[in-house]
Amino acid sequence: GENVEQHPSTLSVQEGDSAVIKCTYSDSASNYFPWYKQELGKGPQLIIDIRSNVGEKKDQRIAVTLNKTAKHFSLHITETQPEDSAVYFCAASRDYGGATNKLIFGTGTLLAVQP
Amino acid sequence: DGGITQSPKYLFRKEGQNVTLSCEQNLNHDAMYWYRQDPGQGLRLIYYSQIVNDFQKGDIAEGYSVSREKKESFPLTVTSAQKNPTAFYLCASSSPTQRSYGYTFGSGTRLTVV
Repeated sequence: GENVEQHPSTLSVQEGDSAVIKCTYSDSASNYFPWYKQELGKGPQLIIDIRSNVGEKKDQRIAVTLNKTAKHFSLHITETQPEDSAVYFCAASRDYGGATNKLIFGTGTLLAVQP
Repeated sequence: DGGITQSPKYLFRKEGQNVTLSCEQNLNHDAMYWYRQDPGQGLRLIYYSQIVNDFQKGDIAEGYSVSREKKESFPLTVTSAQKNPTAFYLCASSSPTQRSYGYTFGSGTRLTVV
């Protein structure tokens, strides 16, 4: 079945350093790739997303890159701050533009930014 | 402000009991989803609904049931047939017709079997 693998499961960086989280998907028909940030005890919040017709997207300190040939995509956070500490989830869908957008999620990465 | 409201925040269930988790949205979104979150396993899809009076099973639907009688509401019942119900449950919505493909999540319900 469809599967999304996410690495690493935990990541610790110093404040100001960059953080990179990587995901690999199995369904070659996937066409939409969002990233979510989940703070403790809360629901995930969409932080950035990318469609399959785009190779890279940037929003201030965060960026996502997509390699369709290799079927992997990555989240890049630059100049990390303590408030970036959270669990980050990647996801993939083949339903972009359809009546629903059924997402398959990765297993999450716990990012800890040390002051 | 528009959003999704899940209630209760914490829920305790005795063995053999059915419990219902509430999910209400005022975003006018068409599609709604229920996910279960366990440590180290990410989010797994239980049920989803595209429109009122229609819903589809996700990857782990056994032991759960849903209804979609109103566009705004998508309650989840955890039945006694669900053998390991202790988890964090998340409701979400999206609206392709509004070009809102990313999910809006609720704040979750933590269910514990006692």
